[in-house]
Amino acid sequence: AQSVTQLGSHVSVSEGALVLLRCNYSSSVPPYLFWYVQYPNQGLQLLLKYTTGATLVKGINGFEAEFKKSETSFHLTKPSAHMSDAAEYFCAVRPGYNKLIFGAGTRLAVHP
Amino acid sequence: SAVISQKPSRDICQRGTSLTIQCQVDSQVTMMFWYRQQPGQSLTLIATANQGSEATYESGFVIDKFPISRPNLTFSTLTVSNMSPEDSSIYLCSVPSPGQGGKLFFGSGTQLSVL
Repeated sequence: AQSVTQLGSHVSVSEGALVLLRCNYSSSVPPYLFWYVQYPNQGLQLLLKYTTGATLVKGINGFEAEFKKSETSFHLTKPSAHMSDAAEYFCAVRPGYNKLIFGAGTRLAVHP
Repeated sequence: SAVISQKPSRDICQRGTSLTIQCQVDSQVTMMFWYRQQPGQSLTLIATANQGSEATYESGFVIDKFPISRPNLTFSTLTVSNMSPEDSSIYLCSVPSPGQGGKLFFGSGTQLSVL
């Protein structure tokens, strides 16, 4: 069965600092991997996804993630955090047609 | 992209009652998904609702507790029946983006509190 594990339920960074949110996956087949963001009182929206091809994926709002098969990881990064990045971030893997299995989520706090 | 309207946005209900959540999409979609997000936890898929057929429920979820209707290609409802405090969660409607390899659009959710 496919699954994802997000390391760290809460991450706090200073404005302008590097953001690193960790995600490891388990899959017996080549995975489709996703990062979603949930801003307060809003629905989830897609940040980026990996399906095939280039392992470094760029998404919206300056985020990117690198698929590393050897480490079974898909960590999300952003070089410089902004206050507006404060949100909850979910890593997800697709086990079947259009279904997604989500990680537990990481709440990102950005302080001045 | 798809625009999903979900209502109510939040509700506080008494134990033993039922609540029906509505999900309206601005385009026709074959599949609609209902997710639950319990406090401090991740999203869990409850069921997949296809127009013209019975919903498909994930392990741990049953039709008697979470009946789903899908009368047409733009609308679905999820009912949380005989509620208990353990049902306090955010319930989210979701639809896939055609041809985009698993991308989902989500409604803003229904925050349910059961007293």
